[in-house]
Amino acid sequence: AQKITQTQPGMFVQEKEAVTLDCTYDTSDQSYGLFWYKQPSSGEMIFLIYQGSYDEQNATEGRYSLNFQKARKSANLVISASQLGDSAMYFCAMRDIEAGNMLTFGGGTRLMVKP
Amino acid sequence: EAGVAQSPRYKIIEKRQSVAFWCNPISGHATLYWYQQILGQGPKLLIQFQNNGVVDDSQLPKDRFSAERLKGVDSTLKIQPAKLEDSAVYLCASSLPGADQYEQYFGPGTRLTVT
Repeated sequence: AQKITQTQPGMFVQEKEAVTLDCTYDTSDQSYGLFWYKQPSSGEMIFLIYQGSYDEQNATEGRYSLNFQKARKSANLVISASQLGDSAMYFCAMRDIEAGNMLTFGGGTRLMVKP
Repeated sequence: EAGVAQSPRYKIIEKRQSVAFWCNPISGHATLYWYQQILGQGPKLLIQFQNNGVVDDSQLPKDRFSAERLKGVDSTLKIQPAKLEDSAVYLCASSLPGADQYEQYFGPGTRLTVT
């Protein structure tokens, strides 16, 4: 069984500063994938970034980067130059490739950006 | 390209009543997922379809929940009878099949309140 843990229920960050959201995972699979999704108050799930377990380089998408440390089973999201619009819930999720790509989500972190 | 459509967006029912949610995935997406997201938690997979066949329904409370995907396109999720603890947002997602097609596209969700 796969498990995702997000230990930060809520975080504050000053506008224009960088912030790291923590995610640790547990799996016995050799091949898996890790996602980060953003969920604003409107409720939709917005895909941010993806990291495959065999990817050698950390994934980056604009202001988002994923700090993947396989030996420590962590996949932290780094948001650079925070903006007010970044205030939202952030979910880390793991993809079970053998089970048809089903996702297991963590409990989420609420990020609040201060002006 | 049209996104994943869901209806209704909001529904309020009394306990022991029945309710049904509808999802229309992105055209060409063979894989469809239903997730339940209870307030303050991450989404939890209820059922996954590949075309019109069920891939995983291990977390679907089958005594009261049912889902179908006739003709491998639209899907309906039903709850009968509803309980108070079924109050949640029900998210539908779709994706292309295959290990290299990892991104799931989420609909806006249906917010269910059971009173």
